Amino acid sequence: GPKVLQIPSHQIIDMGQMVTLNCDPVSNHLYFYWYKQILGQQMEFLVNFYNGKVMEKSKLFKDQFSVERPDGSYFTLKIQPTALEDSAVYFCASSAGVENTLYFGAGTRLSVL
Amino acid sequence: TQTVSQSDAHVTVFEGDSVELRCNYSYGGSIYLSWYIQHHGHGLQFLLKYYSGNPVVQGVNGFEAEFSKSDSSFHLRKASVHWSDSAVYFCAVSASSNNRIFFGDGTQLVVKP
Repeated sequence: GPKVLQIPSHQIIDMGQMVTLNCDPVSNHLYFYWYKQILGQQMEFLVNFYNGKVMEKSKLFKDQFSVERPDGSYFTLKIQPTALEDSAVYFCASSAGVENTLYFGAGTRLSVL
Repeated sequence: TQTVSQSDAHVTVFEGDSVELRCNYSYGGSIYLSWYIQHHGHGLQFLLKYYSGNPVVQGVNGFEAEFSKSDSSFHLRKASVHWSDSAVYFCAVSASSNNRIFFGDGTQLVVKP
């Protein structure tokens, strides 16, 4: 089936550094999402993105977070600066339309030391 | 605001048993209801979805779910589980007017041989 690729699978950084998480969504999809998963269970919505713009974001999407997808390349989540509480697994997802199924990547485990 | 509640954090059954994973939602408008499965170390994979029509929807691998408007529920069922069904199952709800998808806290299903 369609694949969403996330790079890297694991990232370890020091608190205060910048990190960029990369997502290669399904090629014909138009909607993109980031979710944060804590303790292997809770899936927390961060942000969704369409037509080059953030459509909605949650209170977890702090000012230190930003997303972009320049020229149809990777859909990225940037955190600058990172904090200890940013340690989690971040999942990227994409869908063809509003009512369509979400396809998830395998996640990037972010460890902030 | 939509909310999703999965009352059971953990469910343990034996191979061949039937299982029902509960999901209740609260939202006053028109919604999509979905179930996703997450195997350890992987992203979420779509199982099934309901929007309208027959309240019993069939998914992959013998899973089905039944929508009940009166109970505000969308419980997931399988008649005979296999050890490979061990995973975390997420119920999700999204309003038809936007594409922000809310996930429940997940139910960890353990199938013992």
